[in-house]
Amino acid sequence: DGGITQSPKYLFRKEGQNVTLSCEQNLNHDAMYWYRQDPGQGLRLIYYSQIVNDFQKGDIAEGYSVSREKKESFPLTVTSAQKNPTAFYLCASSIVSGGPQHFGDGTRLSIL
Amino acid sequence: AQSVTQLGSHVSVSEGALVLLRCNYSSSVPPYLFWYVQYPNQGLQLLLKYTSAATLVKGINGFEAEFKKSETSFHLTKPSAHMSDAAEYFCAVSDPGTGNQFYFGTGTSLTVIP
Repeated sequence: DGGITQSPKYLFRKEGQNVTLSCEQNLNHDAMYWYRQDPGQGLRLIYYSQIVNDFQKGDIAEGYSVSREKKESFPLTVTSAQKNPTAFYLCASSIVSGGPQHFGDGTRLSIL
Repeated sequence: AQSVTQLGSHVSVSEGALVLLRCNYSSSVPPYLFWYVQYPNQGLQLLLKYTSAATLVKGINGFEAEFKKSETSFHLTKPSAHMSDAAEYFCAVSDPGTGNQFYFGTGTSLTVIP
């Protein structure tokens, strides 16, 4: 079955450390997205990519970086510049920008 | 600018009662509208979508929503709540007027009382 795989499910970061969250999709979707979810705040867009080798900042891109070298993969790096990284991170994809988004099961990041 | 408003961050209903979750949007052109459900520690699952076809949209798990342009609303309903419906529900809008950017509401947590 096609879908979106996020790994790991739980991740812990030490002070000053960069960590990378994986997102892989086999839906043959062009567009991919990263969201951050905090309690009571809904979903906030971090980065999105409409095509390979291209990506755009979302509303809260500071302290994060992404790459899109393959259509299937859109990894998110949480850098040490992100001072409050504890959150639930969701990856999504859609056939085209604006179409219904399909979500992975998320990665929960915590600080040690 | 597009915005999505979900009235009521928490809604409680008795098992078997009507479920009504409210969503209003602002858009200069007719948007695409979506409802998603999220269970604890999981991603979002698409319940239903409106893409300018029929204004009454039926989705999975017995949910439906009606697009009302005059009220700029897209409320989600289910005639009879089940315990398994307890979850977080998100309304979302894709606005063709702003390059199809996606906007999510802040969510409504549904509690079903036995």
